Amino acid sequence: DTAVSQTPKYLVTQMGNDKSIKCEQNLGHDTMYWYKQDSKKFLKIMFSYNNKELIINETVPNRFSPKSPDKAHLNLHINSLELGDSAVYFCASSQDQSVWGIPEAFFGQGTRLTVV
Amino acid sequence: AQKITQTQPGMFVQEKEAVTLDCTYDTSDPSYGLFWYKQPSSGEMIFLIYQGSYDQQNATEGRYSLNFQKARKSANLVISASQLGDSAMYFCAIREKLTFGTGTRLTIIP
Repeated sequence: DTAVSQTPKYLVTQMGNDKSIKCEQNLGHDTMYWYKQDSKKFLKIMFSYNNKELIINETVPNRFSPKSPDKAHLNLHINSLELGDSAVYFCASSQDQSVWGIPEAFFGQGTRLTVV
Repeated sequence: AQKITQTQPGMFVQEKEAVTLDCTYDTSDPSYGLFWYKQPSSGEMIFLIYQGSYDQQNATEGRYSLNFQKARKSANLVISASQLGDSAMYFCAIREKLTFGTGTRLTIIP
């Protein structure tokens, strides 16, 4: 069973479109994240949710909106896509160390978004 | 605010040699944790090793060890007996806000 799964793996779309990326984790973790990895491989955190509540909201255009229907899911919706949104988007989840020992984050396989 | 610095954008190492990847951090939290992740060309993020700030010993995991120097705020990754499969991007991260450094591209030369 995949621990953190993202869909789709590849997404090619035109400028101006609206798209969503879904993320699900079956690890029972409380915290989920979205990262953007650009062409230089820099991993920038975008959002983090803990038990469905937003705890990190970095400087991200408001065209990006995360939605967490329950603590196992954190979806990313992007409105009015721009060329600069092209990147690989990673979802991740983790659990507090006090409960689970080593609190490593588990990552999804990434979604390569290409805006044309 | 937390910050992670990786000063080596790229490294080339001969196969079977040991390699040290540098990571320094800055945090005001009294308790924190540091991770290393590997990202091969296939793109997945692979957890390698973790060091808690209050751990008494440096973390080790197989060929990976962490040279943790708290006073210097450094958490360097040491890979012993490097293999061709170690060629990848390596990222250091701090637990709070799970902030990553810019990464080091390691290439192992046969």
